[in-house]
Amino acid sequence: DAGVTQSPTHLIKTRGQQVTLRCSPISGHKSVSWYQQVLGQGPQFIFQYYEKEERGRGNFPDRFSARQFPNYSSELNVNALLLGDSALYLCASSLAVTYNEQFFGPGTRLTVL
Amino acid sequence: DAKTTQPTSMDCAEGRAANLPCNHSTISGNEYVYWYRQIHSQGPQYIIHGLKNNETNEMASLIITEDRKSSTLILPHATLRDTAVYYCIVRVAGLSSGTYKYIFGTGTRLKVLA
Repeated sequence: DAGVTQSPTHLIKTRGQQVTLRCSPISGHKSVSWYQQVLGQGPQFIFQYYEKEERGRGNFPDRFSARQFPNYSSELNVNALLLGDSALYLCASSLAVTYNEQFFGPGTRLTVL
Repeated sequence: DAKTTQPTSMDCAEGRAANLPCNHSTISGNEYVYWYRQIHSQGPQYIIHGLKNNETNEMASLIITEDRKSSTLILPHATLRDTAVYYCIVRVAGLSSGTYKYIFGTGTRLKVLA
């Protein structure tokens, strides 16, 4: 069984640019969550989506947005990149919003120069 | 927004039980406690979760105090492969009904020694 997949694996951008990160959940999973993990810190919750609707939002500026598609895959968009956006971006999927176990993907390493 | 506090690091001898504490003194009555671990920048891996009662699965045991202000993750027979960062997490209800946020702590770096 394929796990959660994320693309790209690594990405280098410059300040002010925009980036789109992609996530494919485990087959059958309808909920996708996004996290930002800065080096040396724990993951910080950004968004949760279920059935294409936003079901949770962390304390991130409006430069961060996301969406979920009919096939339950998801994209995270970050506009006007700042140096502080450099981090590992993790996607996690679960059967539903309230389902207890989230399965994480390997992450996308974003570097902003 | 922090809901949990954990020791920064711990060592454990191989074959011995590893006991990882977590303080969540501001937890609300309907908020679950989860434990995940992360091995060298891979995605976090689910270990166990609980609300009020102690829980056990094939990986670990979770002991939650009666007042729910703290919990302990127990790895009964630690191996070298258990070396990782262990996160204690509280699932918090969001502003809208049926929404949630998962609040990770800073984690405990567990090193299992041969």
